[in-house]
Amino acid sequence: GNSVTQMEGPVTLSEEAFLTINCTYTATGYPSLFWYVQYPGEGLQLLLKATKADDKGSNKGFEATYRKETTSFHLEKGSVQVSDSAVYFCALINNNDMRFGAGTRLTVKP
Amino acid sequence: EADIYQTPRYLVIGTGKKITLECSQTMGHDKMYWYQQDPGMELHLIHYSYGVNSTEKGDLSSESTVSRIRTEHFPLTLESARPSHTSQYLCATVRHGADETQYFGPGTRLLVL
Repeated sequence: GNSVTQMEGPVTLSEEAFLTINCTYTATGYPSLFWYVQYPGEGLQLLLKATKADDKGSNKGFEATYRKETTSFHLEKGSVQVSDSAVYFCALINNNDMRFGAGTRLTVKP
Repeated sequence: EADIYQTPRYLVIGTGKKITLECSQTMGHDKMYWYQQDPGMELHLIHYSYGVNSTEKGDLSSESTVSRIRTEHFPLTLESARPSHTSQYLCATVRHGADETQYFGPGTRLLVL
């Protein structure tokens, strides 16, 4: 079946630190991959996405590359800000089956 | 940006009560979803719909029902609320034929006493 496994949190970083949140998936065929972000007290919103192998999604300084050979879609940002503090969810959709990871809480300290 | 509305935003209710959580959207999206989420935790799919008169059960559907009489509305009903239902409920939509990006509503926080 389809599933997503992402790095457990919480993750605490200082401002301007480098961020990586690991995400791996299991799926047959060619799923589309997403990162969603949930800021405190808000609903989820799309951060970035990639629909085929080797695609790179990017938004707000975040990037993730669809790696089929390693079934991964790791989220990275070169320099985090306090405003990036949120919960990040990796997700896939494959043949109408939508799966979310467990979420990783990121706290960025000044 | 999708316009998705959920009401009420917050609800405190006693055990055994019947409640309906409303979700409405103005984007004409065909697919709609209900998720249960403890704050900042994993999402669990409760029900989903691919269009009018279409409803399907998710992983966590046994104590709730949904209906899809109109494209715009996808209400979720708990027939008999229990403390274990205390959680946040998120509604989401997807436009048919698009890239499967989900657009989420602001959520309803439910507390069952």
